[in-house]
Amino acid sequence: KAGVTQTPRYLIKTRGQQVTLSCSPISGHRSVSWYQQTPGQGLQFLFEYFSETQRNKGNFPGRFSGRQFSNSRSEMNVSTLELGDSALYLCASSLDSGVRDTEAFFGQGTRLTVV
Amino acid sequence: GNSVTQMEGPVTLSEEAFLTINCTYTATGYPSLFWYVQYPGEGLQLLLKATKADDKGSNKGFEATYRKETTSFHLEKGSVQVSDSAVYFCALRLLSGGYNKLIFGAGTRLAVHP
Repeated sequence: KAGVTQTPRYLIKTRGQQVTLSCSPISGHRSVSWYQQTPGQGLQFLFEYFSETQRNKGNFPGRFSGRQFSNSRSEMNVSTLELGDSALYLCASSLDSGVRDTEAFFGQGTRLTVV
Repeated sequence: GNSVTQMEGPVTLSEEAFLTINCTYTATGYPSLFWYVQYPGEGLQLLLKATKADDKGSNKGFEATYRKETTSFHLEKGSVQVSDSAVYFCALRLLSGGYNKLIFGAGTRLAVHP
């Protein structure tokens, strides 16, 4: 069974640009969550999608957005990039996020560097 | 609010030493608790979990017991190996009113020397 696939693995962008990251969850998983990992702030929740609907959103500015497609693949977009957006972006998929012992499986992440 | 506090690292041990990484939490409801491990250049891997009080999660020689009375979920291993060197994250998840996200501690870096 293939794991969670995130593309690309590495990105370098310039301030002011926008970027789109992709996440393909484990087959059959309908919940996809995104997290930002930085040395200063640690792991922070961005948002969760379930059956193409955003169910939860973390405390991030509107420049961060996402969506989920009918095949459960998800994308996140960051517009008007700032230096502080440099981070490892992790995607996690779950079979059914409403079940107490549901496990979240993480991808290897996309390392975004903003210069 | 909801939060997780882990002991600060780095933790440096010799091979075969006993490991404890402390984790305490604050939660407004009844969380599930997890330990994740991150190896260099990788994403997070679930190490173990516990979903109710007094549950013990275990995997690969690691153990942690859900202690509701002390709001703790300390990670232990009796004999660490060099290959256990990684960053360990304690996390909680609440399921309430559609609220479903993992809240992580800051992570504890473990370095094991031969």
